[in-house]
Amino acid sequence: QQQVKQSPQSLIVQKGGISIINCAYENTAFDYFPWYQQFPGKGPALLIAIRPDVSEKKEGRFTISFNKSAKQFSLHIMDSQPGDSATYFCAATINQAGTALIFGKGTTLSVSS
Amino acid sequence: DVKVTQSSRYLVKRTGEKVFLECVQDMDHENMFWYRQDPGLGLRLIYFSYDVKMKEKGDIPEGYSVSREKKERFSLILESASTNQTSMYLCASSPPPVPYEQYFGPGTRLTVT
Repeated sequence: QQQVKQSPQSLIVQKGGISIINCAYENTAFDYFPWYQQFPGKGPALLIAIRPDVSEKKEGRFTISFNKSAKQFSLHIMDSQPGDSATYFCAATINQAGTALIFGKGTTLSVSS
Repeated sequence: DVKVTQSSRYLVKRTGEKVFLECVQDMDHENMFWYRQDPGLGLRLIYFSYDVKMKEKGDIPEGYSVSREKKERFSLILESASTNQTSMYLCASSPPPVPYEQYFGPGTRLTVT
């Protein structure tokens, strides 16, 4: 119940294309769903986050779509650029003190020019 | 800018040695975390702490211990290093009441020979 399942494990997209990464969860108590981006040699950094009472959140070229009934959420990267090449992690948590993030296993995105 | 620093970027230790990994954050965050990152396994939580001298086991605490004597410093200890502890170790901190907003250090690549 604590797992967050992420797919695909790796993704190759052409420059200008749309990158889509999917995640699914079981624990309905989760109430915050962040996405992290990690470049080689760096620690992950928070990219965007969503609460389950919102179906979509957009920040620039990055959009999270959330389907509460299906217990799924996804990251869409529009107009993908070579600089977006990184590893992306979805995560889930119960947003209260004393709790921790549950991470998916990550998706390595390569955007070819 | 939040800064999370880790004592070493690369570390090579011998089997059976006691290993200390240090993490310091400069933003007065209550929550601090230790993860290990392995290819295909994502980020796995080892321990976290939500207050000085408090600690909680994560998903994979076996073979590790932690110490948090001061708010800004969280240490990970490998009591007797083994080759299966060769990994990238990442420290993170987060402010309450937003545990989903974690700030990561650059990581320590530990090799146990």
